[in-house]
Amino acid sequence: SQTIHQWPATLVQPVGSPLSLECTVEGTSNPNLYWYRQAAGRGLQLLFYSVGIGQISSEVPQNLSASRPQDRQFILSSKKLLLSDSGFYLCAWSVYFADAGSGNTIYFGEGSWLTVV
Amino acid sequence: SQQGEEDPQALSIQEGENATMNCSYKTSINNLQWYRQNSGRGLVHLILIRSNEREKHSGRLRVTLDTSKKSSSLLITASRAADTASYFCATVDRGSTLGRLYFGRGTQLTVWP
Repeated sequence: SQTIHQWPATLVQPVGSPLSLECTVEGTSNPNLYWYRQAAGRGLQLLFYSVGIGQISSEVPQNLSASRPQDRQFILSSKKLLLSDSGFYLCAWSVYFADAGSGNTIYFGEGSWLTVV
Repeated sequence: SQQGEEDPQALSIQEGENATMNCSYKTSINNLQWYRQNSGRGLVHLILIRSNEREKHSGRLRVTLDTSKKSSSLLITASRAADTASYFCATVDRGSTLGRLYFGRGTQLTVWP
């Protein structure tokens, strides 16, 4: 069966410090990978998605970046955190099915709470 | 934006009652999905309904889809305290090959014992 691991679970970082959140998926090959952010009391905002190694697409301009150094590894980074980067970050994966109407179910990790102080 | 919008934002009911949540979206979709999120946890997929389907059931869940009105509803029958969570609808754009899901802000459901 497939599993997704995301760490760290909780992070408190000062403004201007770097960030690295990691995510790995097991039990599947060539997944689509996603980073979402959820601000307090808000919906989920898609930040990045990847369809393969080294292929990253950004949905929202920001001071965050993502990388996919291996097939099942997805990393979210920042060189200098802002207060507004605080939130709940969720890594997720999906398998693409030929019949687009039947697939695209997304499986989420347990999330990482980031507080920028 | 293709994001779905859930209504109501919050819903409070007693155990045994039915809970109905609605979702509206803006453009053509391939499918619509409902997810559940317990407080401080990741989201869990509940059910997917395709654009050519009108109704789907899964246990105590019933989902309807009206593409002419660009809306969907999630009905939880005979609710339990364990159903307390946030519920999100999410849409996949028609023609999407990448599986990008766009989520609404969710409905916070509280079920009182």
